[in-house]
Amino acid sequence: GNSVTQMEGPVTLSEEAFLTINCTYTATGYPSLFWYVQYPGEGLQLLLKATKADDKGSNKGFEATYRKETTSFHLEKGSVQVSDSAVYFCALYNNAGNMLTFGGGTRLMVKP
Amino acid sequence: KAGVTQTPRYLIKTRGQQVTLSCSPISGHRSVSWYQQTPGQGLQFLFEYFSETQRNKGNFPGRFSGRQFSNSRSEMNVSTLELGDSALYLCASSPGQGRYEQYFGPGTRLTVT
Repeated sequence: GNSVTQMEGPVTLSEEAFLTINCTYTATGYPSLFWYVQYPGEGLQLLLKATKADDKGSNKGFEATYRKETTSFHLEKGSVQVSDSAVYFCALYNNAGNMLTFGGGTRLMVKP
Repeated sequence: KAGVTQTPRYLIKTRGQQVTLSCSPISGHRSVSWYQQTPGQGLQFLFEYFSETQRNKGNFPGRFSGRQFSNSRSEMNVSTLELGDSALYLCASSPGQGRYEQYFGPGTRLTVT
């Protein structure tokens, strides 16, 4: 079956530090990969996506590259801000099941 | 475009009661999915509808059901509520037709007492 594994948090960084949140997946076929972000009291916001191997998704300074050889989709940002504090979810979509499979989420805390 | 809307935002029910949650997708989106989010289990898939047909269902008991209307709006129902049903219920819509990204609503926070 499909599964997504994320590094456990919380991840605590100082403002302007470099961010990496690791995500690996197991899936049959060729899934699409996503990162979502959830701020307190809100639903999930789509942050970025990649639909095939070697695609790089990017948005708001965040980026992630679909690595089929390592089955990974790590999220990176060069300089985090306090406003980036949130929970980040890695997810895959396999159209055989018409559903997203999520990782457990990683809480990011950025201190001024 | 307006985003996905969910009503109500908050709900308090008693064990044994039933509840109906509503979701209006982004205009033009034909696929609607529901997820349950809890601190212990994380985000779990409930079901997905496309053009009024349920295409997939997650591993939840039959007390959880849903439907989709011809205008793509969707409802989910939980009967005979249990304390463990307390969760954030998230609805997501997707364009379908080869585009799989899902856009989420703010969720309905259900508390069962």
